[in-house]
Amino acid sequence: NAGVMQNPRHLVRRRGQEARLRCSPMKGHSHVYWYRQLPEEGLKFMVYLQKENIIDESGMPKERFSAEFPKEGPSILRIQQVVRGDSAAYFCASSPGGGAGDTQYFGPGTRLTVL
Amino acid sequence: TQLLEQSPQFLSIQEGENLTVYCNSSSVFSSLQWYRQEPGEGPVLLVTVVTGGEVKKLKRLTFQFGDARKDSSLHITAAQPGDTGLYLCAPRNTDKLIFGTGTRLQVFP
Repeated sequence: NAGVMQNPRHLVRRRGQEARLRCSPMKGHSHVYWYRQLPEEGLKFMVYLQKENIIDESGMPKERFSAEFPKEGPSILRIQQVVRGDSAAYFCASSPGGGAGDTQYFGPGTRLTVL
Repeated sequence: TQLLEQSPQFLSIQEGENLTVYCNSSSVFSSLQWYRQEPGEGPVLLVTVVTGGEVKKLKRLTFQFGDARKDSSLHITAAQPGDTGLYLCAPRNTDKLIFGTGTRLQVFP
């Protein structure tokens, strides 16, 4: 069984460019979560999506960040006009359901470096 | 605001020693997950505990969820270098996981 897939694993962008991070959930999982891990910090929740719906975006910065999970294809986290402070590891997790008892399985992450 | 603390922050021990790491909160949680994260990788799930007082064993690892579901502990028996990593507890009430800063464990041969 394939786990959660993320690509690219490493992404380098210059300030002002756009970054697109992709996440394919585990087979059979329709719930996707994005977390950000800044250097030497814990993981912070960003957004929770189901197919074609954003359920909870309380952790998303108000500007430049957006996320989608279309009916077909991977979930995308988009960061527009990146700044150096966006440099971090971005992790995607998926679960079969959205309940508190549903386990979230994490992908290997995308490490974004903004020059 | 939910306060989540993991202790100790850092732990360096010799192979064969036992250790316990703790996860404490001021809030009650529906469930709690423990993960281990190695450098450059994503967190890997170790266990999910749901019931207050629950104890789960995974080989040399023993996990306990507090009776009041506000705290948890992870005990490792006879630690090995392969246990080295960042141990994260992640309580959960709703859709999101709340992570502490974790315990960084280094086991020397």
